[in-house]
Amino acid sequence: EAQVTQNPRYLITVTGKKLTVTCSQNMNHEYMSWYRQDPGLGLRQIYYSMNVEVTDKGDVPEGYKVSRKEKRNFPLILESPSPNQTSLYFCASSLYGNEQFFGPGTRLTVL
Amino acid sequence: SQQGEEDPQALSIQEGENATMNCSYKTSINNLQWYRQNSGRGLVHLILIRSNEREKHSGRLRVTLDTSKKSSSLLITASRAADTASYFCATGQTNTGNQFYFGTGTSLTVIP
Repeated sequence: EAQVTQNPRYLITVTGKKLTVTCSQNMNHEYMSWYRQDPGLGLRQIYYSMNVEVTDKGDVPEGYKVSRKEKRNFPLILESPSPNQTSLYFCASSLYGNEQFFGPGTRLTVL
Repeated sequence: SQQGEEDPQALSIQEGENATMNCSYKTSINNLQWYRQNSGRGLVHLILIRSNEREKHSGRLRVTLDTSKKSSSLLITASRAADTASYFCATGQTNTGNQFYFGTGTSLTVIP
């Protein structure tokens, strides 16, 4: 089944404790992206990647890192999480950056 | 921010009625897409319209695009209770390569 998977689905952590949210797709898509969704603000793009070893900043990249060492994986790294990064995070992939397929979301709470 | 805006923020209609929601954006675009999200879940792509297109249909969905007004509308005809969801527009903008900007969404409730 074609899908985008994210792990973990739910995470509660404390300020400053490094964490990684994994994202994987099995559709051989070139384009992958991370978004955060906050009430009243819609989805905002954090980082995106057009291909392996190519990443670019989105609208709200501060406090986040990404890497694209393999085509199928695009992990989101929070080196020192803060409470303002409490949000619902979505990973998405697409063949050429058009129709995007979204993962199920990761609900992160930073205390 | 280059984020789009949907209008209305919330819409409640009876089953069988048509639902219309609008999206406005700020800069030149390559394409505009509409997505649907059921509460707290991942978004699902509905339809894409390119900047050189004015109207597109897919099943009960009709999308229009007016690049001179920087706006788009999504019409869902003969609505069903299962259409209850939030709907977002997303723009791929010409000056930012492959970056995408989502609107703030319209919450649609279809009453059986």
